[in-house]
Amino acid sequence: EAGVAQSPRYKIIEKRQSVAFWCNPISGHATLYWYQQILGQGPKLLIQFQNNGVVDDSQLPKDRFSAERLKGVDSTLKIQPAKLEDSAVYLCASSRGRAGNTIYFGEGSWLTVV
Amino acid sequence: AQRVTQPEKLLSVFKGAPVELKCNYSYSGSPELFWYVQYSRQRLQLLLRHISRESIKGFTADLNKGETSFHLKKPFAQEEDSAMYYCALIGGAQKLVFGQGTRLTINP
Repeated sequence: EAGVAQSPRYKIIEKRQSVAFWCNPISGHATLYWYQQILGQGPKLLIQFQNNGVVDDSQLPKDRFSAERLKGVDSTLKIQPAKLEDSAVYLCASSRGRAGNTIYFGEGSWLTVV
Repeated sequence: AQRVTQPEKLLSVFKGAPVELKCNYSYSGSPELFWYVQYSRQRLQLLLRHISRESIKGFTADLNKGETSFHLKKPFAQEEDSAMYYCALIGGAQKLVFGQGTRLTINP
């Protein structure tokens, strides 16, 4: 089966600019996750969707980050305005149901804010 | 609060030697624990989970509730085991929380 697809793979922007990342989960996977991984750290969950509803967004910096999952399939994560500390890899992942099921990760979108 | 601690950022062993990657967790209930692995230029992927009690690629991990640990072990390391390893936990909030990761290097 096709894996989790993400784009763009790499992005360099200046601080205060905006950026958007796109994710297409594995077909049939109801749960979609966005993780932020800063260099040298483990992935940190930003937001978790179950179909098109938000299950958890407690660690999403809502003043600058937003995410949506229209029609319960694809998802976009937006950052506006970006800060230097947003430089990280943004990982999208999906699973069939609850988080206890195997979670499949995409290759990640590498963001550098200068 | 759920927390996962991997005390070693780097671990280097020789091929054929035993490997143990440490993981300690903090959670008051009964957690689900996992090890994820990321090989060079590959995606992060599940290696094993404690409820399966299985051995994957020669690796095993036992949940020790008394010591709140879930160490990953392999009796004889192979060069292809070199990778980044993450311990992760799911608690009551049904969200997967990762540790900081341990970079394992197997020397020939």
